[in-house]
Amino acid sequence: DGGITQSPKYLFRKEGQNVTLSCEQNLNHDAMYWYRQDPGQGLRLIYYSQIVNDFQKGDIAEGYSVSREKKESFPLTVTSAQKNPTAFYLCASSMGGGRDTQYFGPGTRLTVL
Amino acid sequence: GNSVTQMEGPVTLSEEAFLTINCTYTATGYPSLFWYVQYPGEGLQLLLKATKADDKGSNKGFEATYRKETTSFHLEKGSVQVSDSAVYFCAPGKLGGGADGLTFGKGTHLIIQP
Repeated sequence: DGGITQSPKYLFRKEGQNVTLSCEQNLNHDAMYWYRQDPGQGLRLIYYSQIVNDFQKGDIAEGYSVSREKKESFPLTVTSAQKNPTAFYLCASSMGGGRDTQYFGPGTRLTVL
Repeated sequence: GNSVTQMEGPVTLSEEAFLTINCTYTATGYPSLFWYVQYPGEGLQLLLKATKADDKGSNKGFEATYRKETTSFHLEKGSVQVSDSAVYFCAPGKLGGGADGLTFGKGTHLIIQP
């Protein structure tokens, strides 16, 4: 079955630690995205990538980093510089055009202790 | 950039009631328009979409029509079920080749009571 997987589903981190969230897709999509979801705030774009080895900052990139070494993988690192990292993180992918449907993974809930 | 306004809720209805969730947007040109649904603890699923003016997207009894005159994409369903309880997001896409993400509304929490 084609789709997007995110792991882990739940993640706990101590303050001051970096943590990496995994996102893998087997849909052969060119574009991949990371969103952050907070209660009552909808989704906000963190980073996106249109092709391998290239990525762009979204609306709230501060305190986050990404890499795109393979077409199917787009990991997100939440660094210690992110002041309020507790949130639900969603990864998505699409064929690449602005009119294309984005397909979402199941999400990772990150809690900072 | 794009922006979206949708009723935030929670919207509480009885089973078999008629549903309307309003969505209006501002955007350059005529983007594709999407409705996504999110069930508790899960990611977003595409519910329906429309790619040009006057198109009607439909799925699982839900419908929405692309109205360019009013820049709206209201979601409707004639008879809701308890299983429709979820959060619904309206999202205009971006024009051209720039795959820089969708613009999401804050979501409308829908609660259907038996």
